[in-house]
Amino acid sequence: QITLKESGPTLVKPTQTLTLTCTFSGLSLDTTGVAMGWIRQPPGKALEWLALIYWDDDNHFSPSLKSRLTITKDTSKNQVVLTMTNMDPVDTGTYYCAHQVVRDFFDYWGQGILVTVSS
Amino acid sequence: SYELTQPPSVSVSPGQTANITCSGNKLGEKFACWYQQRPGQSPVLVIYQDTKRPSGIPARFSGSNSGNTATLTISGTQAMDEADYYCQAWDSSTYVVFGGGTKLTVL
Repeated sequence: QITLKESGPTLVKPTQTLTLTCTFSGLSLDTTGVAMGWIRQPPGKALEWLALIYWDDDNHFSPSLKSRLTITKDTSKNQVVLTMTNMDPVDTGTYYCAHQVVRDFFDYWGQGILVTVSS
Repeated sequence: SYELTQPPSVSVSPGQTANITCSGNKLGEKFACWYQQRPGQSPVLVIYQDTKRPSGIPARFSGSNSGNTATLTISGTQAMDEADYYCQAWDSSTYVVFGGGTKLTVL
């Protein structure tokens, strides 16, 4: 059984850096073909993809947010970490991590974490 | 950058067929997938690789993809199908692309 869970701060101030951790079980990020991604959703709005990291450490970022994002993995802890710099109130939303079948669909999703950006 | 366009809303009567479209340039040359998202819940994959259903997804959900349009079809729509639906595709330059979402209302 594959499970994913996001953790991190639920409130950050403008200009701060957000660090979110996805802890997963039932899969290994050093297995060929495994990828993990981050997707966010502002309240009442659509899903927006942010970042992907693959088993071989390759990664991809949303072109519009690339300068603000970093994604890393710790295979020994079964974790993926997303950092987003210079947070703004428009970055408020629910942040999801998800398992991707490489270069295709997301088949398992975490429960999401609501992050509010406010002073 | 690659974009996917969905109608903001679709309405259907219980028991009828709902069709939700997703448009993108030469989308038929890519794989499309669909997610269902009920209020307050995480997205759930309902169709992948254009036409395939994950285990546990009812057979009333089906998909197609040709030309510039992918379509999610829900046959015999039930009240429990009322949700937001998102299409998604992989593009070699934009990577992961989501449509803007369609709110399905079962009247």
